[in-house]
Amino acid sequence: EAQVTQNPRYLITVTGKKLTVTCSQNMNHEYMSWYRQDPGLGLRQIYYSMNVEVTDKGDVPEGYKVSRKEKRNFPLILESPSPNQTSLYFCASSLKRERYEQYFGPGTRLTVT
Amino acid sequence: KQEVTQIPAALSVPEGENLVLNCSFTDSAIYNLQWFRQDPGKGLTSLLLIQSSQREQTSGRLNASLDKSSGRSTLYIAASQPGDSATYLCAVGRHALNFGKGTSLLVTP
Repeated sequence: EAQVTQNPRYLITVTGKKLTVTCSQNMNHEYMSWYRQDPGLGLRQIYYSMNVEVTDKGDVPEGYKVSRKEKRNFPLILESPSPNQTSLYFCASSLKRERYEQYFGPGTRLTVT
Repeated sequence: KQEVTQIPAALSVPEGENLVLNCSFTDSAIYNLQWFRQDPGKGLTSLLLIQSSQREQTSGRLNASLDKSSGRSTLYIAASQPGDSATYLCAVGRHALNFGKGTSLLVTP
């Protein structure tokens, strides 16, 4: 089944404790991205990757890192999480960036205390 | 910067009604427009993708139209059912997807 998977689905952590949210797709997509969703602000893009070893900032990249060492995986790294990073995070992928349908993972609900 | 607006923010209709959700965007230089459905606490499910060169797309009881020149799209849902209750998100694509804040739809039996 074609899908985007994320782990963990739920995470509660404390300020400053490094964490990684994994994202994997099995559709051989070149383009992958991360979004966060907050009440009243909607979905905003954090980082994106056009292909392996090619990443760039989205609208709200501060406090996040990403890497793309393999085509199928695109982990989101929070080196020192803060409470304002409490949010619902989505990973998405598409064949290429433009013109193609984007597929979203199930989301990761992160709470930073 | 692209601004995407969805009206209404919330909508409640009785089962069986036909309804229209609206989406407007400020920059017509888009590659495509995608409608998503989001159930509470869940991920986004893609409903329809309209390329910038297309005027509409249909899938079952759903029909989405696109008027790029006026910066508008509509999602038409025919014969609504309680299972259609969800938040519907419109997103316009160029270099990234820019999302509206959604329309929360409740279909009552």
